[in-house]
Amino acid sequence: GQQVMQIPQYQHVQEGEDFTTYCNSSTTLSNIQWYKQRPGGHPVFLIQLVKSGEVKKQKRLTFQFGEAKKNSSLHITATQTTDVGTYFCAAPGSQGNLIFGKGTKLSVKP
Amino acid sequence: EADIYQTPRYLVIGTGKKITLECSQTMGHDKMYWYQQDPGMELHLIHYSYGVNSTEKGDLSSESTVSRIRTEHFPLTLESARPSHTSQYLCASDFSAGTSPINEQFFGPGTRLTVL
Repeated sequence: GQQVMQIPQYQHVQEGEDFTTYCNSSTTLSNIQWYKQRPGGHPVFLIQLVKSGEVKKQKRLTFQFGEAKKNSSLHITATQTTDVGTYFCAAPGSQGNLIFGKGTKLSVKP
Repeated sequence: EADIYQTPRYLVIGTGKKITLECSQTMGHDKMYWYQQDPGMELHLIHYSYGVNSTEKGDLSSESTVSRIRTEHFPLTLESARPSHTSQYLCASDFSAGTSPINEQFFGPGTRLTVL
């Protein structure tokens, strides 16, 4: 079935360091979404990318959608302890559902 | 803040009990979903619904069942709970209709189930 591969599974950084998570698909995607789940919480929508090569920024977060619309990345500049959590990418499935990546768990050491 | 609610938030029960996890949304969304997730781990889709009287099984085999009699309500039932059902159950909904490209999903706060 359709899969969305996400790496790395875990990332431990020192506060102030940058962080990037990557999402890849073997098929062209109509769009890709990113979610953040804080420890003990539920996933919360961050952004949706639709256009080839699209780049969107939210403060210290930069989201990119590849030119071929098969990959995406989320980059956080100068991480803070509030960035801790699991970041998921998600793409539309064939049944109108969302296919989630396995997530990247970010921990930040103060 | 999304208007999607789950009850109970926490549940500890014994093996063999029948339980129903409630999920309601007041946004008028047609599509609703149930995910099973161990804390901070992968989200597994177990059921979804396109609308009233529609229910579909997800990617992860589950011994649970769902119903969709009203647009706003999507309960999940376990007929006989087992320790292997211990997990977090997340309900979600979105605007999209049928198999059309999806919009953002709104998640409920989750139910943490422990089966002893």
